[in-house]
Amino acid sequence: GEDVEQSLFLSVREGDSSVINCTYTDSSSTYLYWYKQEPGAGLQLLTYIFSNMDMKQDQRLTVLLNKKDKHLSLRIADTQTGDSAIYFCAEIATSGTYKYIFGTGTRLKVLA
Amino acid sequence: DGGITQSPKYLFRKEGQNVTLSCEQNLNHDAMYWYRQDPGQGLRLIYYSQIVNDFQKGDIAEGYSVSREKKESFPLTVTSAQKNPTAFYLCASSSRESYNSPLHFGNGTRLTVT
Repeated sequence: GEDVEQSLFLSVREGDSSVINCTYTDSSSTYLYWYKQEPGAGLQLLTYIFSNMDMKQDQRLTVLLNKKDKHLSLRIADTQTGDSAIYFCAEIATSGTYKYIFGTGTRLKVLA
Repeated sequence: DGGITQSPKYLFRKEGQNVTLSCEQNLNHDAMYWYRQDPGQGLRLIYYSQIVNDFQKGDIAEGYSVSREKKESFPLTVTSAQKNPTAFYLCASSSRESYNSPLHFGNGTRLTVT
């Protein structure tokens, strides 16, 4: 079945790079997404990548996709305290039902 | 500005009472979703609707009900049959114009049942 896994916690120092990892099981997924959730709020779309791409860069964010290993990562350069949040990766199920499968979320804590 | 509005932000109920959470969107999206979020867990899909007057059960539909009488509205009722209703509930919507349309989320409703 479909499953998306993430590590639960990550702690980095301000100014360092953060790398958040995700593995997924549906090899036919076409789109993979990264969302950010701040405390008490909904999820905000950060970026997404199409499965025929290896990399996508958007300002401080770099997404890497290893389709062979079904591994997705989000790199945040020059991490700031405002980046402290929960980050979710998600894939869209390929059954045509428009169901999105979310990982458990990685809580990023940025230390000043 | 277009968006999704969930209300109220905080909701308190006694055990045994049904409660309805509101979700309204003005994005003209066809598809709407309800997710439940518990601490340390990902989002779990309760119900979703791809078109007015139609909806499907998600992974944890037991104890919940929905309706989709209007395109912009998708209310969720948490019934007394739901064994552990205390959680953070998120409503989302997406366009069906393209397959990669991302989900847009509301700011959630935190329900506490005592």
